[in-house]
Amino acid sequence: GNSVTQMEGPVTLSEEAFLTINCTYTATGYPSLFWYVQYPGEGLQLLLKATKADDKGSNKGFEATYRKETTSFHLEKGSVQVSDSAVYFCALTGSGGYNKLIFGAGTRLAVHP
Amino acid sequence: GAGVSQSPSNKVTEKGKDVELRCDPISGHTALYWYRQRLGQGLEFLIYFQGNSAPDKSGLPSDRFSAERTGESVSTLTIQRTQQEDSAVYLCASTSQGSSGNTIYFGEGSWLTVV
Repeated sequence: GNSVTQMEGPVTLSEEAFLTINCTYTATGYPSLFWYVQYPGEGLQLLLKATKADDKGSNKGFEATYRKETTSFHLEKGSVQVSDSAVYFCALTGSGGYNKLIFGAGTRLAVHP
Repeated sequence: GAGVSQSPSNKVTEKGKDVELRCDPISGHTALYWYRQRLGQGLEFLIYFQGNSAPDKSGLPSDRFSAERTGESVSTLTIQRTQQEDSAVYLCASTSQGSSGNTIYFGEGSWLTVV
């Protein structure tokens, strides 16, 4: 079945450091890929998405590129801020219009001044 | 409504009691999901409704858990004879049917504590 694997946290960085959170997936066909973010005390919200190979999703300075050859969708940001501290979830939905969203375990990011 | 609405936002119940959690999806969204998130952990899929198709119940952890949906609107997640391990945030989400790339919108969750 479909699955998502993301790097374990916590990830601790200083402000303005470069961020990478790895995400790889297993799926048949052509899934759509997502990053969701959960800020402390808040609900889950979509950060970015990509729906086909080589697409790049971007939002709030974060980027992720859908790499079918490596089945990856790594999240990157060039310069993190304290306000980026949150839990980040990689997720996918399968192809064919079936929208069940499957999540990775989540990666906690802590950014210090 | 403007977003996915869940109620109650917080519920404390005694072990062995039944609880009902409600979800109002975004108007026009035909697909609805329930997930569970235990403290400090990831999201567990529970159940998925899509239009008039039979729901995908493959994530329900036991027969104490059930969910219903009335047409393409409100859904209720029921947990019978609650146990302490049921303590978690229960998240509801919705999206419009069709492309698997559609954004899925989450509610703020119902925090359940079983004492």
